Amino acid sequence: ELKVEQNPLFLSMQEGKNYTIYCNYSTTSDRLYWYRQDPGKSLESLFVLLSNGAVKQEGRLMASLDTKARLSTLHITAAVHDLSATYFCAVDMSNRDDKIIFGKGTRLHILP
Amino acid sequence: KAGVTQTPRYLIKTRGQQVTLSCSPISGHRSVSWYQQTPGQGLQFLFEYFSETQRNKGNFPGRFSGRQFSNSRSEMNVSTLELGDSALYLCASSWSGGGYEQYFGPGTRLTVT
Repeated sequence: ELKVEQNPLFLSMQEGKNYTIYCNYSTTSDRLYWYRQDPGKSLESLFVLLSNGAVKQEGRLMASLDTKARLSTLHITAAVHDLSATYFCAVDMSNRDDKIIFGKGTRLHILP
Repeated sequence: KAGVTQTPRYLIKTRGQQVTLSCSPISGHRSVSWYQQTPGQGLQFLFEYFSETQRNKGNFPGRFSGRQFSNSRSEMNVSTLELGDSALYLCASSWSGGGYEQYFGPGTRLTVT
């Protein structure tokens, strides 16, 4: 069974700290996406990672993909309150009917 | 550039009824995907349409169906509604599907009573 596991599922951290969200998946894929969702809102695309070793950065967020380890990370640098949201990773299984499998999401709460 | 729009935004239906949701993608985008989001099951892929053809389908019963029109607008239909169909239904558009950034609409909140 294809699984996409995020951890932690909940993270409360102080402003100014660094932290990493992990996304492990159980089968071969070289396409992975990160999304942000604010409460009551839709999803916002953060990063599209399309190959092994891909690294993308936007502001205080940096995402990477290791297809051999089947692992993606979302690193938060010097967190600020505005980054409080739920973050989802999603694995693109383009050759399977399931197409895109989402992790359960990491609810990030940044304390001012 | 206008974003992805979904109508209606909120809907209340009773069990056994059917419902049709609409999604208008960003101009120029040919791929539309639909997702269901619930507190229990999280985000689940329903199906993807590209150039009026269903390209992929998730693991949902046949009560869930969709279509795409020549202008890339898409509809999804759920027949014989069940309580468990209560969810936020999201559509997302992209230029060509896999590997391209998806832009999500605001969603339709469906409540089945």
